[in-house]
Amino acid sequence: AQSVAQPEDQVNVAEGNPLTVKCTYSVSGNPYLFWYVQYPNRGLQFLLKYITGDNLVKGSYGFEAEFNKSQTSFHLKKPSARVSDSALYFCAVTRGNKLVFGAGTILRVKS
Amino acid sequence: DTGVSQNPRHKITKRGQNVTFRCDPISEHNRLYWYRQTLGQGPEFLTYFQNEAQLEKSRLLSDRFSAERPKGSFSTLEIQRTEQGDSAMYLCASSLGGSGSQETQYFGPGTRLLVL
Repeated sequence: AQSVAQPEDQVNVAEGNPLTVKCTYSVSGNPYLFWYVQYPNRGLQFLLKYITGDNLVKGSYGFEAEFNKSQTSFHLKKPSARVSDSALYFCAVTRGNKLVFGAGTILRVKS
Repeated sequence: DTGVSQNPRHKITKRGQNVTFRCDPISEHNRLYWYRQTLGQGPEFLTYFQNEAQLEKSRLLSDRFSAERPKGSFSTLEIQRTEQGDSAMYLCASSLGGSGSQETQYFGPGTRLLVL
């Protein structure tokens, strides 16, 4: 069955430093992978998705993600973190017509 | 820009009462989804509609839960005889159907339910 795992409950990074939020996947067939961000007491905002093509996907707010088939990973990255990036990040994969989410990773960016 | 809207944003109820939530999707989107998110977890799928047809329901959706999308536009999610375990954030999402599992789902702000 399609699933994703986010191995880190929390990631801490200093403002201005690069950030990485990890996601690994387990799928049969071609994976359709997504990243969403959630701010406190808010819904989920779509950041980016991988369907096919280039392994480096660019998304909203300067985020990008690298699809790595051999490592079954889809890590979210940003070259220079901002305090406003502090939030809860979810990786997800489609299973049929629904999304299956990881448990989420809290990102804290300190000034 | 009108995104997905949900009402109410917050609901406090007593155990045993019925509650109903509403979701208005992005206007041209024909697919609508309901998810439930408990504290510290990722959202879990409940059900989805294509136009007015309810095409899939999760095993999480017990007999006390019912969802409708009568005219293929807004949707309602009703929980009957609420239990404390129903306390969660209920999220609605919509997408423009046609590309199947590649579609991007856009989420509303959620309705936070607290059952006392």
